[in-house]
Amino acid sequence: AQKVTQAQTEISVVEKEDVTLDCVYETRDTTYYLFWYKQPPSGELVFLIRRNSFDEQNEISGRYSWNFQKSTSSFNFTITASQVVDSAVYFCALKAAGNKLTFGGGTRVLVKP
Amino acid sequence: DTEVTQTPKHLVMGMTNKKSLKCEQHMGHRAMYWYKQKAKKPPELMFVYSYEKLSINESVPSRFSPECPNSSLLNLHLHALQPEDSALYLCASSQDQKGRGQPQHFGDGTRLSIL
Repeated sequence: AQKVTQAQTEISVVEKEDVTLDCVYETRDTTYYLFWYKQPPSGELVFLIRRNSFDEQNEISGRYSWNFQKSTSSFNFTITASQVVDSAVYFCALKAAGNKLTFGGGTRVLVKP
Repeated sequence: DTEVTQTPKHLVMGMTNKKSLKCEQHMGHRAMYWYKQKAKKPPELMFVYSYEKLSINESVPSRFSPECPNSSLLNLHLHALQPEDSALYLCASSQDQKGRGQPQHFGDGTRLSIL
């Protein structure tokens, strides 16, 4: 069985602060994929990134960066110099055997001006 | 703008009504999904269609009836719903179901309220 844990339910920061969202996963499969999605108040889940289990390279995309560490089963997400538009719920998700997407509980990020 | 379009955006219905939710994608994806999301919870998978055939039904009550008329369209027919069925209903698509690394692309959802 797969499991994704996002221990932080809500994070509040002031604009321009950095914020790191934690994601810890469990799976017995050696081949799996990890995803991050953003859900703004409008409701749509926006795909942000995909990482496969064989690629431990960290990735940076603009103000977003991701740190994948297989040794600790973690796939953390950092927003640098946060902006009000970053306010949303962020979900980490895992896809392994069975092909179903297993979501974490989500972390609500509130960026105050 | 999302590439998965869902209509209507909001729906209020009584417990005896029959209504349908619609989802459309034009990305050539062959897998389509329905999820239910309650407030402050992650999405929960309801149904998966792969190449227009129902491949997964997560033990969803029969008052929810999915339909995939063609590779671009996905419907969810609703009948005799209960107040606890009030939620955000999300549609998603991916290239196909088997490819684990393929991301699912989501629509804006339909906010459903049952009176």
